[in-house]
Amino acid sequence: GAVVSQHPSRVICKSGTSVKIECRSLDFQATTMFWYRQFPKKSLMLMATSNEGSKATYEQGVEKDKFLINHASLTLSTLTVTSAHPEDSSFYICSADDRGGITGLPDTQYFGPGTRLTVL
Amino acid sequence: AQKITQTQPGMFVQEKEAVTLDCTYDTSDQSYGLFWYKQPSSGEMIFLIYQGSYDEQNATEGRYSLNFQKARKSANLVISASQLGDSAMYFCAMREGKYSGGGADGLTFGKGTHLIIQP
Repeated sequence: GAVVSQHPSRVICKSGTSVKIECRSLDFQATTMFWYRQFPKKSLMLMATSNEGSKATYEQGVEKDKFLINHASLTLSTLTVTSAHPEDSSFYICSADDRGGITGLPDTQYFGPGTRLTVL
Repeated sequence: AQKITQTQPGMFVQEKEAVTLDCTYDTSDQSYGLFWYKQPSSGEMIFLIYQGSYDEQNATEGRYSLNFQKARKSANLVISASQLGDSAMYFCAMREGKYSGGGADGLTFGKGTHLIIQP
């Protein structure tokens, strides 16, 4: 239980293009999903909180017009990196909160396998 | 100030030995949750163990246990009988604030400890 998938796992794109990353909770519903970014050999940094049916909440310093988040259903959130540049190259990883439904543990987030974005 | 501090950037441990990974945290909230995740070279984040701030007993999950010392704001992960497959990055994380049911908060992560188990 508590499986989260991400697609694609790896993407290479040209500078200036937009890239969409999908995050799905496969066996549970997630009203809240989170997007993190991880640079090589660094920790995860929270970018934004994605709430089903409402606007995402962005962390300080994260450009909301550059990183568009849509949480259209209880099992799907998407992150679109618009007009990507080489500095956007990173490992993007999402998580979903099962609200204790799977494990019985509150507040536990389950992570997707991540998407490695390379912008040329 | 850092909210989560992991003071061990890297550790080498002999197989079958017990391992303690250090984690201290900083929060003024009364209600919070502490987590440990394992990240192998593939990049996925694997949930290991959770400790709530109001839990009186230390959390245990198979070979993993969390040594929770609330007064010292410490939440060390203990891995008993280490295995070669335990080699990975280990992250301590915290969720602050009361879970009200109306939303949820993201996690704050430490910088991680790179654990290498040697045969």
